[in-house]
Amino acid sequence: TQLLEQSPQFLSIQEGENLTVYCNSSSVFSSLQWYRQEPGEGPVLLVTVVTGGEVKKLKRLTFQFGDARKDSSLHITAAQPGDTGLYLCAGLSSNTGKLIFGQGTTLQVKP
Amino acid sequence: GAGVSQSPSNKVTEKGKDVELRCDPISGHTALYWYRQSLGQGLEFLIYFQGNSAPDKSGLPSDRFSAERTGGSVSTLTIQRTQQEDSAVYLCASSHGLAGSSYEQYFGPGTRLTVT
Repeated sequence: TQLLEQSPQFLSIQEGENLTVYCNSSSVFSSLQWYRQEPGEGPVLLVTVVTGGEVKKLKRLTFQFGDARKDSSLHITAAQPGDTGLYLCAGLSSNTGKLIFGQGTTLQVKP
Repeated sequence: GAGVSQSPSNKVTEKGKDVELRCDPISGHTALYWYRQSLGQGLEFLIYFQGNSAPDKSGLPSDRFSAERTGGSVSTLTIQRTQQEDSAVYLCASSHGLAGSSYEQYFGPGTRLTVT
């Protein structure tokens, strides 16, 4: 069974701080996606990384895919209250074609 | 509509009753997915459809769960004889192209099911 371990599960920080969320697995994934979900809504895709070692930036968010395509990280610089939400990583299994989701990281950014 | 819609948004039912959850995908999307999400947690894959076919039903938690899709569009997830452990948010998503590709999945807002 392919699993994605996401850490930390909860993060409460002050506005302006930096943070990193990690997503780790012993399995290789074809691609990895990061989603953000707000209460009462479905997840919204932030980015897809496909190539090992790939780095993508989305304003203050930096996403990295590990060289071996088994892990990924999301780094947020100078967090803002609007970044508050549930962040989910999801790996596309090359064996089954299914998206395997991590447990999620609940981020709270206090003003 | 512009996005994936699901109904009802909330459903409270008594243990032992049957429930039907509906998903209207984005028009033209061939792949449709059902997930289950416990409070503040990640998503658990249940089933996906390619057109009207469901090649992989292994994610369904038990034989009380079933799903169908008609006309390559609307899908219904049915839970028979509901149990309290079925309480969760049920999310539907759709995407272009083949299921299992890296095409973006667009999610609906979910149906919050509470079994009392």
